[in-house]
Amino acid sequence: AQSVTQLDSQVPVFEEAPVELRCNYSSSVSVYLFWYVQYPNQGLQLLLKYLSGSTLVKGINGFEAEFNKSQTSFHLRKPSVHISDTAEYFCAVTFLDTGRRALTFGSGTRLQVQP
Amino acid sequence: NAGVTQTPKFRVLKTGQSMTLLCAQDMNHEYMYWYRQDPGMGLRLIHYSVGEGTTAKGEVPDGYNVSRLKKQNFLLGLESAAPSQTSVYFCASSNVEGGTEAFFGQGTRLTVV
Repeated sequence: AQSVTQLDSQVPVFEEAPVELRCNYSSSVSVYLFWYVQYPNQGLQLLLKYLSGSTLVKGINGFEAEFNKSQTSFHLRKPSVHISDTAEYFCAVTFLDTGRRALTFGSGTRLQVQP
Repeated sequence: NAGVTQTPKFRVLKTGQSMTLLCAQDMNHEYMYWYRQDPGMGLRLIHYSVGEGTTAKGEVPDGYNVSRLKKQNFLLGLESAAPSQTSVYFCASSNVEGGTEAFFGQGTRLTVV
């Protein structure tokens, strides 16, 4: 079955430290990959996406992610986090073997940036 | 420049009551989706639509119905609300090119007591 896994439900980190949020998916077919951010009591905002081409993609707010096809992973990184990055982050995948072009989401990772 | 708008933002229902959530998008998108968000479970797809007049079931469709009579609107109905339907509901839309980036509304927080 196709699925998306975010192993870390919470990630505490100090301000200005680097962070990596992990995302793995289960599929043997082609995929589109996304990271969304959700601030408290708000909707989801797209951080970055991978559709094709370079496996390293850069997004808004200094975030980047790398697609690793052999490991079926799409980890999100930021070299130096700010208090304002405190939010919940969702990895999402579109599996291209189905006619249903809907996003399948991971369970989310809550990033807590501490001063 | 509204994007995706959901109505209402909050609602409390009694068990057995019915209601309709409205989603409207002004980006001329073909695809529209309804998700529910529950703690620790991410977002799960309830129903979706690939165009005006079409609907299809997602991952968790039971207890919900939808309609897409106009391209810009996607309605989610609960005929007989249950406490298990307490959740935050998000509507999203995307363009027709492979259903890539989805744009989300601000959510509807529904409590069923």
